[in-house]
Amino acid sequence: AQRVTQPEKLLSVFKGAPVELKCNYSYSGSPELFWYVQYSRQRLQLLLRHISRESIKGFTADLNKGETSFHLKKPFAQEEDSAMYYCALVQGAQKLVFGQGTRLTINP
Amino acid sequence: GAGVSQSPSNKVTEKGKDVELRCDPISGHTALYWYRQSLGQGLEFLIYFQGNSAPDKSGLPSDRFSAERTGGSVSTLTIQRTQQEDSAVYLCASSLQASPNTGELFFGEGSRLTVL
Repeated sequence: AQRVTQPEKLLSVFKGAPVELKCNYSYSGSPELFWYVQYSRQRLQLLLRHISRESIKGFTADLNKGETSFHLKKPFAQEEDSAMYYCALVQGAQKLVFGQGTRLTINP
Repeated sequence: GAGVSQSPSNKVTEKGKDVELRCDPISGHTALYWYRQSLGQGLEFLIYFQGNSAPDKSGLPSDRFSAERTGGSVSTLTIQRTQQEDSAVYLCASSLQASPNTGELFFGEGSRLTVL
């Protein structure tokens, strides 16, 4: 089955430290992967998509087909990065399937 | 409105009652999605609409759950004979494109359902 796994439910790092949120997927073919973020009391929103190869708010994510991973990284964490992060995979070209989510807390 | 609108924002109901949750997507968005967000389960796909038709209902947990969309716009998710395990936040999203890999999903604020 095509699915997304986020092994960490909780992740806590200090401000200024590097951040890596893990995402692994199972998919036969060329996956389309995304990271969505939900800040406190805000709506779930798109952070970045792998096809764009973009950096948003200092975050990047590289698709590693060999390791079937799409980890989200930021070199220096900021307090405003505290949020719930979801990795997502397009399944069947029609729907977006999400992982269980990782709650990131940045400590001052 | 500028974004996806969901109502009610909060609903408390007794076990066995029926509930209806409404989603008003962004005007012009052809695709509409329902997800369920609960602790420990992440975001669970329920159903997807393209226009008024639902090509994928595979995520509906049981036959107590149903959804419809009329006029290519508003959608209603109905849960009959609610159970305590139905307690969750129900999220609606819409997209301009039919396929999420070309279009971004825009989410509503959700409807929090509590079944006592």
